[in-house]
Formats: sequence, C-alpha cells, structure tokens
Amino acid sequence: ETGVTQTPRHLVMGMTNKKSLKCEQHLGHNAMYWYKQSAKKPLELMFVYNFKEQTENNSVPSRFSPECPNSSHLFLHLHTLQPEDSALYLCASSHYEYNEQFFGPGTRLTVL
Amino acid sequence: AQTVTQSQPEMSVQEAETVTLSCTYDTSESDYYLFWYKQPPSRQMILVIRQEAYKQQNATENRFSVNFQKAAKSFSLKISDSQLGDAAMYFCAYRRTNDMRFGAGTRLTVKP
Repeated sequence: ETGVTQTPRHLVMGMTNKKSLKCEQHLGHNAMYWYKQSAKKPLELMFVYNFKEQTENNSVPSRFSPECPNSSHLFLHLHTLQPEDSALYLCASSHYEYNEQFFGPGTRLTVL
Repeated sequence: AQTVTQSQPEMSVQEAETVTLSCTYDTSESDYYLFWYKQPPSRQMILVIRQEAYKQQNATENRFSVNFQKAAKSFSLKISDSQLGDAAMYFCAYRRTNDMRFGAGTRLTVKP
C-alpha cells in the first residue's frame, strides 16, 4: 500500500468501550498527526509526533491516548468516550516540519 | 492566537469558468506556510497548493493559483477552467512549526 492508511474506516462504540484507531504511513515521513474533524468546524489538531516523540498535545482530554511505537505507525487509544467525541478522525504525516501533510482517509467514529 | 477564516461556507461555479475562494488568517509571525487542501466526498484530504510566506511570487499549480497578500493576511485560491472533479470541500491552512490551523472550509459545487 502507498500513502497513509487508517483502520478501521468506521467504528461504533459505547461509552464504556475501549478501542484503538490505527494509522500507518508508507512515505518515509518522520512526523505524524491526529486530527478531529467535526461537521461545520475547522479541523482540530490533537497530537503531533516528531521522530516518535510527542511534541504537541492541544489540551486533548485524557480519554484520548496516543501511541507512536515507530515513525511509521500511530495509534489513538480510546476509552470512556462521550457522544460529542463522535467525529471523523484523520491521521496525517509529513517529512519535515514545514512541509505539507499527507492525510489518511479517516476513521468515522460514532459514540453511542 | 492564530486563526484562519474562510468567509464563504459554500460556493458554486459553472463548469469551465473561474472561481475564487477566500481565506484570511491572523498571525504575528513573519515566517510560515499556507496551504489549500481539497477534500472530495470520499474524504481523503489532498494538498492543492502551498505558499511560503517569504516568497513574494504567488504559487501556481496548473489550473490552481493563489493570490497571497502578506500585509493583508489574505490567501485566496483561484480555480480556472473548473471541472466537475473540482467539486469538494476546500480548506485553507496555516502552519508554523507544530502550530497547524485550518479554516472551517468552503464547499464548492461545480455545475455542468
């Protein structure tokens, strides 16, 4: 596969469930990102990893827990989510800090 | 705080004609990057064009060009010879290191 992939593409979970989103980039990039996209709102940057180190956490609730085991993989662990967390979660990667980002197709998350 | 504003939630253009999407941003920095991203109905976000703030020349990519007015903090996207495949959500984005901000988007409809 090429580019940035995300699994699963769709996820429905209850408020007490624990689930994880996975992102993988095949572009040789060294930075990876998680975004939340809600309807009619700007994309919200959640987390940034550079060379596997978290460099940005934009006041994201602790029920979202990122993990970056290597520069190609990024996870977002979810637990005790709220219905307002329902959104499209996008993963992105980039090569250098100032370069454009390449996005995955997203995971559509619904919290019941 | 840096913000990105897209004042046109929706725009419509006739096929083969030209349309301009507006974007303004707020920053106190002099060195940054600006981007236009396109998100078709399939949801994969792709880069359309980028502009380095230190460059005075407006970026151009085939039918897509920008009008970058640094003093006015304006960054509009012009699409020439519009095609049906241009129909999508268009997002303006600002980036300086890990500070990445997106506008709320403009939905472009192309009429045959």
